[in-house]
Amino acid sequence: DTAVSQTPKYLVTQMGNDKSIKCEQNLGHDTMYWYKQDSKKFLKIMFSYNNKELIINETVPNRFSPKSPDKAHLNLHINSLELGDSAVYFCASSPRRHRTDTQYFGPGTRLTVL
Amino acid sequence: AQTVTQSQPEMSVQEAETVTLSCTYDTSESNYYLFWYKQPPSRQMILVIRQEAYKQQNATENRFSVNFQKAAKSFSLKISDSQLGDTAMYFCAFMNRDDKIIFGKGTRLHILP
Repeated sequence: DTAVSQTPKYLVTQMGNDKSIKCEQNLGHDTMYWYKQDSKKFLKIMFSYNNKELIINETVPNRFSPKSPDKAHLNLHINSLELGDSAVYFCASSPRRHRTDTQYFGPGTRLTVL
Repeated sequence: AQTVTQSQPEMSVQEAETVTLSCTYDTSESNYYLFWYKQPPSRQMILVIRQEAYKQQNATENRFSVNFQKAAKSFSLKISDSQLGDTAMYFCAFMNRDDKIIFGKGTRLHILP
């Protein structure tokens, strides 16, 4: 069973479109995260939710909006896609919002904006 | 600002050799967590090892061990008896008091047959 899953794995779209990436974890974790990995492999946190509540919101354009319908899901919606949004997006989860907790990462979604 | 620096963008070693990946970080906090993550070609991010800053003893996980020097803010990863499956990008990461993980830029490690 996949612990943290993301769909789709690959997403190719035109500039200006709106797209969503879904993330689901079956670990019973309370906290979920979205990270962006750019072309230089640099990983940076974007958002974190704890029990459906937003707790970390880094400096990310308003075009990015996370949505957590329940504890097991954290989706990322992106409006008006731009070329610079091309990256790999990783979802992760941890048991609690606590430093001792390990984060478990999904397989990533490679977004390509043309 | 808290930063994580990995000074080796790329390294290559022969299979069965020992390799050390370096990592330094900058923080004014006294209690924090450090991690090494591995990202193989499959792109999955896999936790390799974790160190709690208040613990002086270096963490070990099978062939992986760290050399944690708190005063020097250094957290290197040693891989013993390296295997072909160790070929991957390795990320050093730091978790701050706000529970944010800050990653270094990674070291690409090639294990040569």
